[in-house]
Amino acid sequence: NAGVTQTPKFRVLKTGQSMTLLCAQDMNHEYMYWYRQDPGMGLRLIHYSVGEGTTAKGEVPDGYNVSRLKKQNFLLGLESAAPSQTSVYFCASSYSKTSGAGGLVAKNIQYFGAGTRLSVL
Amino acid sequence: RKEVEQDPGPFNVPEGATVAFNCTYSNSASQSFFWYRQDCRKEPKLLMSVYSSGNEDGRFTAQLNRASQYISLLIRDSKLSDSATYLCVVNMLNTGFQKLVFGTGTRLLVSP
Repeated sequence: NAGVTQTPKFRVLKTGQSMTLLCAQDMNHEYMYWYRQDPGMGLRLIHYSVGEGTTAKGEVPDGYNVSRLKKQNFLLGLESAAPSQTSVYFCASSYSKTSGAGGLVAKNIQYFGAGTRLSVL
Repeated sequence: RKEVEQDPGPFNVPEGATVAFNCTYSNSASQSFFWYRQDCRKEPKLLMSVYSSGNEDGRFTAQLNRASQYISLLIRDSKLSDSATYLCVVNMLNTGFQKLVFGTGTRLLVSP
């Protein structure tokens, strides 16, 4: 019962290095997300995808790129790491359920991976 | 003003106590509401959804007041294992995309 799996769990980079974080889900969810979590702040959305082959920017996309070539995978890339990107990164996936007569009641229950702790020196 | 606001705590309570957390949200178009639990250095996990009529799951009761844009979580008979950070989460429909907005969390410490 894997759910959402993130690799790697930990990484230390030097400023200017690049890396890719991998997220894989086995729940056949359409939607996938990348967040970062910093002390004193709520989770902030970096990029998201509403289906295979589609991606879109979230609140804090600068310095990151993403790809969703397969439905089950969502990759987050850092092209040139900066100390400001030191953070804990969480991937999530969700199904979206709408119901209700005469209108839509949206539900967006997200399931998270265990996180990647990234330090940029 | 933050979209979702919570008291960061920590709330220090003894085992067996009842504790309540509150959360306010700013966007009246918010559509659904959740409480997530996050243990130290772990991922957030869904604790419960919050319905307009209020809902209960064992020792946990969640309530929503749309008029006041206010959500609450009540924990009865606190256990040591309830120690965690509780995230108030609001789902908003934004230009066709459902966006979850997370509060910064309320930390609960239950002591023997």
